Amino acid sequence: DAKTTQPTSMDCAEGRAANLPCNHSTISGNEYVYWYRQIHSQGPQYIIHGLKNNETNEMASLIITEDRKSSTLILPHATLRDTAVYYCIVRVAKVRNSGNTPLVFGKGTRLSVIA
Amino acid sequence: DVKVTQSSRYLVKRTGEKVFLECVQDMDHENMFWYRQDPGLGLRLIYFSYDVKMKEKGDIPEGYSVSREKKERFSLILESASTNQTSMYLCASSLPPQRGLTDTQYFGPGTRLTVL
Repeated sequence: DAKTTQPTSMDCAEGRAANLPCNHSTISGNEYVYWYRQIHSQGPQYIIHGLKNNETNEMASLIITEDRKSSTLILPHATLRDTAVYYCIVRVAKVRNSGNTPLVFGKGTRLSVIA
Repeated sequence: DVKVTQSSRYLVKRTGEKVFLECVQDMDHENMFWYRQDPGLGLRLIYFSYDVKMKEKGDIPEGYSVSREKKERFSLILESASTNQTSMYLCASSLPPQRGLTDTQYFGPGTRLTVL
């Protein structure tokens, strides 16, 4: 699975959009981009994932560049409860379980939403 | 909603004790995982299982064993707890990947284990 690079920390004002970048310059054509977050003292929570096209769900939007070497997770209206560590993970999809490997979490970006 | 539950949020044990950490998921997921999380080291995979009675070692299996007798339950066992096993333990589950889709993992709330 390709490696990812994220800033160590970011601040965002409450009510504003939080834009979290991720570089994955070695991504290959069959690798997806996943985002998870972990709020303090809780287990990681799945947010969104995508392959080529931009994706949106009730939690966030994922913007993937045309060359797929980077992506941005957007929380459109950040709240204090969005303060967490955000992990960008690149991972190939496997059809069968055999040879599948679990997710590898890096250090992530610590997002602090400020009132 | 997928629900992954862990038997305890906080646990304190003594060195040498046998410790059982239980994880149960209610969505009929084939895949289950045990991670530990330590400051500065991120999440590290201990063991995982893709089916009942099946297990595979992760990155740091030493000092641990697992049991998967039923599909919904995956247990992590510390045969003889040591102080360096003080950590946050996280369980996760997922469906097997289907053609064109990926295997999103769903995590439990974690068990913070302290070994004295």
